[in-house]
Amino acid sequence: AQSVTQLDSQVPVFEEAPVELRCNYSSSVSVYLFWYVQYPNQGLQLLLKYLSGSTLVKGINGFEAEFNKSQTSFHLRKPSVHISDTAEYFCAVTRRSGGSNYKLTFGKGTLLTVNP
Amino acid sequence: KAGVTQTPRYLIKTRGQQVTLSCSPISGHRSVSWYQQTPGQGLQFLFEYFSETQRNKGNFPGRFSGRQFSNSRSEMNVSTLELGDSALYLCASSFQAGDGYTFGSGTRLTVV
Repeated sequence: AQSVTQLDSQVPVFEEAPVELRCNYSSSVSVYLFWYVQYPNQGLQLLLKYLSGSTLVKGINGFEAEFNKSQTSFHLRKPSVHISDTAEYFCAVTRRSGGSNYKLTFGKGTLLTVNP
Repeated sequence: KAGVTQTPRYLIKTRGQQVTLSCSPISGHRSVSWYQQTPGQGLQFLFEYFSETQRNKGNFPGRFSGRQFSNSRSEMNVSTLELGDSALYLCASSFQAGDGYTFGSGTRLTVV
């Protein structure tokens, strides 16, 4: 089975500051990794994904994430945040193949609040 | 192209009733998954369907069931509703696992 730990439940930052949202995962098999964002009263929107290859992945809205296999981490970063980035962010994992690759296992989420 | 459509957006039901939620996936996506989101438990996997077959099921009681039709549209049903079933129910569709899933806006179910 897979599990995901998002190390911070809330991250407050000031506008134009950099931010890092931390995610660690546990799995005995190879996985795909994802970051999703959820705005109030909406569903989840895919920010970026890691499948294979380059460990630095770029996504939408200026976000990027780095896959670190040895540390089993997939931290999300943005060099300069905007008020509009205020939302909840979820890290998720699914195994590459086999029976349970048809579901996403999510972390508990990190609420990013960008203050003026 | 059209996204994942969930209906209804909001629903209020009484304890003991049953409810059916609907999901229309993105055209061409044959995999449809359902998730329950609550403040206490976060996002939990309910089940996943592919070509009308349930491929995976989460750890929920038998009161939660689902199905998928030949056009890939999916429904989930919750019978004998309990207060704890109040949640945002999210549907997601995918072409394949590596694509990630595209989520709908959800159905907010309130059980009173």
